[in-house]
Amino acid sequence: QLQLQESGPGLVKPSETLSLTCTVSGGSISSSSYYWGWIRQPPGKGLEWIGSIYYSGSTYYNPSLKSRVTISVDTSKNQFSLKLSSVTAADTAVYSCARGWWGHYYMDVWGKGTTVTVSS
Amino acid sequence: QSALTQPASVSGSPGQSITISCTGTSSDVGSYNLVSWYQQHPGKVPKLMIYEGSKRPSGVSNRFSGSKSGNTASLTISGLQAEDEADYYCCSYAGSSTLVFGGGTKLTVL
Repeated sequence: QLQLQESGPGLVKPSETLSLTCTVSGGSISSSSYYWGWIRQPPGKGLEWIGSIYYSGSTYYNPSLKSRVTISVDTSKNQFSLKLSSVTAADTAVYSCARGWWGHYYMDVWGKGTTVTVSS
Repeated sequence: QSALTQPASVSGSPGQSITISCTGTSSDVGSYNLVSWYQQHPGKVPKLMIYEGSKRPSGVSNRFSGSKSGNTASLTISGLQAEDEADYYCCSYAGSSTLVFGGGTKLTVL
């Protein structure tokens, strides 16, 4: 059974870079059928798609975050990662990783999410 | 890329049917049959309920159905049950391998 687990610091200072990793277990990140995505949810607000990556390394970002986001994949570790630079309090959210079906664009397996607070 | 528009809240009594709308543009909902719907209970992980507009994943009750007309997608829940009370989000493909979510709808079962 496929599982995704987010990890990384729960507290980041303003202007610094948020870094998270999603570890995939129970399946291969290198499957051509899937893409791997990051989604966030600020407290009391809705879901926001951050971006996605294909196992080949091709990346796709939310235009509103594109200038600050980098998503990468490490197939040897079955992990993919998120970096969000120049963070502010508005980036405080639960960050979740998910598996999506390539070409179908829905996400069927989600990690439990990790809370990241931006504060000095 | 603007968020899809959903009503902030809807409500219904047990046994009734409700519909949640999700309005986008000709660049997302209107151009692709790639809308998905997610159910999220408080503090829980989003659960896929509908994909590709009207398809149900294995294990999802047939009380949930999806449709689309023009730039608006809809999620209908029939035979409302207390356990359906949750937040619901639509999500659409928006071209160039990008996605856009709706603002979410809180469903209250009276």
